[in-house]
Amino acid sequence: DAGVTQSPTHLIKTRGQHVTLRCSPISGHKSVSWYQQVLGQGPQFIFQYYEKEERGRGNFPDRFSARQFPNYSSELNVNALLLGDSALYLCASSSQGAWGDTIYFGEGSWLTVV
Amino acid sequence: SQKIEQNSEALNIQEGKTATLTCNYTNYSPAYLQWYRQDPGRGPVFLLLIRENEKEKRKERLKVTFDTTLKQSLFHITASQPADSATYLCAPGAPGGYNKLIFGAGTRLAVHP
Repeated sequence: DAGVTQSPTHLIKTRGQHVTLRCSPISGHKSVSWYQQVLGQGPQFIFQYYEKEERGRGNFPDRFSARQFPNYSSELNVNALLLGDSALYLCASSSQGAWGDTIYFGEGSWLTVV
Repeated sequence: SQKIEQNSEALNIQEGKTATLTCNYTNYSPAYLQWYRQDPGRGPVFLLLIRENEKEKRKERLKVTFDTTLKQSLFHITASQPADSATYLCAPGAPGGYNKLIFGAGTRLAVHP
């Protein structure tokens, strides 16, 4: 079975531009979460979605937004990119998004802002 | 706010020895904790989940302990191999009732032949 898949794998954007990152969860998983990982640090929680509803939001500015589609795939959007947004963006899925569910990560999308 | 601390320095051990990695957390009491392995440029790979009512959990050469009194989890790899070289991330569940993890910065393990 396919794991969590993300696209694109690498991208370079200019400051001020907008980016959309995409994620498909493991088949049968209904919850998707997004994390940002800056070099040398652990992943930091951005959003969690379950059944198209936002369940949780981390400490990120409103430039970050996400949504989940009826097929449980998800998009993360970042507007007005800053140099500090350069990071590995990780999508994770879990069965129900419930407390204590195992969370499985994709390989990530590397974003470089220049 | 919640804080997760892992050994910031790399852990270097000889092949065949047991590697022990430490995860300490402060300012809250997670009800479960997950450990992940991450290779350079790759996403984290799930290894083990342990709940607060489980003192110890094992999977093949891996063992995790969870001491809620000390606010600490230990991650052991027995009979370590060079292929075990990676960064290991500790991720306790966050309070709030939904499935959010708070990650430590990770400990880099290097197993030498």
